[in-house]
Amino acid sequence: QVQLVESGGGVVQPGKSLRLSCAASGFTFGTYGMHWVRQAPGKGLEWVTLISYDGSNKYYADSVKGRFTISRDNSKNTLYLQMNGLRAEDTAVYYCAKRENFRFDYWGQGTLVTVSS
Amino acid sequence: QSALTQPRSVSGSPGQSVTFSCTGTNNDVGGYNYVSWYQQHPGKAPKLMIYDVNKRPSGVPDRFSGSKSGNTASLTISGLQAEDEADYYCCSYAGSYTWVFGGGTKLTVL
Repeated sequence: QVQLVESGGGVVQPGKSLRLSCAASGFTFGTYGMHWVRQAPGKGLEWVTLISYDGSNKYYADSVKGRFTISRDNSKNTLYLQMNGLRAEDTAVYYCAKRENFRFDYWGQGTLVTVSS
Repeated sequence: QSALTQPRSVSGSPGQSVTFSCTGTNNDVGGYNYVSWYQQHPGKAPKLMIYDVNKRPSGVPDRFSGSKSGNTASLTISGLQAEDEADYYCCSYAGSYTWVFGGGTKLTVL
């Protein structure tokens, strides 16, 4: 069965960096695009970024463009999110999600990122 | 990339039907037949319930149905059950490989 397990969250000061990982199993990772979606405490979902199956194309929400970088290592079945210049408003649970056409068909359990001094 | 508009809360009694609305623009909901709906129980990951406006993934009960008219999409749950109590989020493809979610609707089963 499809499993997505995020890690790397924690408490970080404003302006600092953090890298999240998402370990995938149960499907052929290298043939699917992957998303990151976040959810601020008590708030709704926000799409963050998408990477194509081979990593050649990347797309970002305006709110993170220029600060966040999505990448993947298909040999390790792992998705990454490098977050630089973190702000208080980036505080959220970050989910990785498998892309299936125009929907998010499987989600991980999420990892909490807290940006605070 | 403005969020889609969803009512904050909806309630219904067991056995009843409830409908959630999701309003966007011509650039998202109205422009593509790529609306999806997600159920999220407290502390849990979202779960896909409806995709491409009105398609159900395998394993999702046929009590869940979706539709769209113009810039507004809808999710209907018929034969409401206690376990349906959760937050529901709509999502639409918004072009150029971007997506936009709604703010979510909290369903209370009375």
